[in-house]
Amino acid sequence: GNSVTQMEGPVTLSEEAFLTINCTYTATGYPSLFWYVQYPGEGLQLLLKATKADDKGSNKGFEATYRKETTSFHLEKGSVQVSDSAVYFCALSSGSARQLTFGSGTQLTVLP
Amino acid sequence: DVKVTQSSRYLVKRTGEKVFLECVQDMDHENMFWYRQDPGLGLRLIYFSYDVKMKEKGDIPEGYSVSREKKERFSLILESASTNQTSMYLCASSFPQGRNYGYTFGSGTRLTVV
Repeated sequence: GNSVTQMEGPVTLSEEAFLTINCTYTATGYPSLFWYVQYPGEGLQLLLKATKADDKGSNKGFEATYRKETTSFHLEKGSVQVSDSAVYFCALSSGSARQLTFGSGTQLTVLP
Repeated sequence: DVKVTQSSRYLVKRTGEKVFLECVQDMDHENMFWYRQDPGLGLRLIYFSYDVKMKEKGDIPEGYSVSREKKERFSLILESASTNQTSMYLCASSFPQGRNYGYTFGSGTRLTVV
């Protein structure tokens, strides 16, 4: 079956630090991959996505590249801000499945 | 702005009560989903629906039921609320090609059962 493994948190960084949140997956076929962000007290918002191998998704300074050979979709940002403090979820959709499979989420806290 | 709207942000109910959580979307999405979110457990799928009057069980359907009488509305029902159903409940919707476009989520309902 499908599964998503995310780096465990919480992650605490200083403002302007470099961010990497690791995500690896197991899936049948050729999945689409997503990163969602959840700000405190809110639902999840789509941050970025990639639908085929070697695609790079990007949004708000965040990037992730779909690496089929390593089955990974790591989230990166070159310089984090306090406002990036949130929980980040990696997710995939594969084959005919209508539903997404989510990772467990990584809490990021950015200190001024 | 497209939206998924959950009727309540916070609810407090008593053990044994019948609880209705409502979700409405204005995007003409075919698929709708109910998840619960608990610390350390991530998001777990309760039920989903890919058409009016259609429903499928997710990973943790026990103690829940759903209703989808209209395309835009998907209700989650706790037949007899219990304290272990205290959680954040998230509704989401998508087109059938969810694999390409992802989901749109509501803001969540934080339910406390006392």
